[in-house]
Amino acid sequence: DTEVTQTPKHLVMGMTNKKSLKCEQHMGHRAMYWYKQKAKKPPELMFVYSYEKLSINESVPSRFSPECPNSSLLNLHLHALQPEDSALYLCASSQQLPGTGGIGSYEQYFGPGTRLTVT
Amino acid sequence: AQTVTQSQPEMSVQEAETVTLSCTYDTSESDYYLFWYKQPPSRQMILVIRQEAYKQQNATENRFSVNFQKAAKSFSLKISDSQLGDAAMYFCAYRSPYNNNDMRFGAGTRLTVKP
Repeated sequence: DTEVTQTPKHLVMGMTNKKSLKCEQHMGHRAMYWYKQKAKKPPELMFVYSYEKLSINESVPSRFSPECPNSSLLNLHLHALQPEDSALYLCASSQQLPGTGGIGSYEQYFGPGTRLTVT
Repeated sequence: AQTVTQSQPEMSVQEAETVTLSCTYDTSESDYYLFWYKQPPSRQMILVIRQEAYKQQNATENRFSVNFQKAAKSFSLKISDSQLGDAAMYFCAYRSPYNNNDMRFGAGTRLTVKP
């Protein structure tokens, strides 16, 4: 099973709403990622979890709050978003060697994304 | 910091023909990993091919092959016998083995396949 799943596929929320994006993988990967992608642009890294611990936060505003409850699940909690946060949010996972800075050629497997619209 | 450059925002190819997408990168590292990802209109990023920098042999996956020139820091993707399903956005990506899970993407090339 080389699948990363994401729910929901589409989400429309107001600026005062609280919502969550969910990502799941059952490949035994210990590194999981959140990316933000604007139209016709490459994905921009937001967060990286390695062995369920946050290892990279690319200076993302606090209105985005990641959570990794276990090795298979990754959530992104959203609160008080702005219209400019509208984008495709991609989750990815990859193998991770323990105790290293990420050494390995392991490619990232991506989910289908959540299309977020903030009104 | 490593940078990845794709100088062709758009490319077009006739069905059954061959097309080459270019990618260059800048790095001071000797070991690294390069990838080509495809993102069709369905949005999902799909790995097309990968290349380890320590391998001199160019990677090949069916109709997809790369021309990896380490000294020139060039990593082009050749698609042979193009099919309508190859139409997508193609991203070149660089991954450092030393920078915790950081992967750098190029700006992308939109490939159109004409019937």
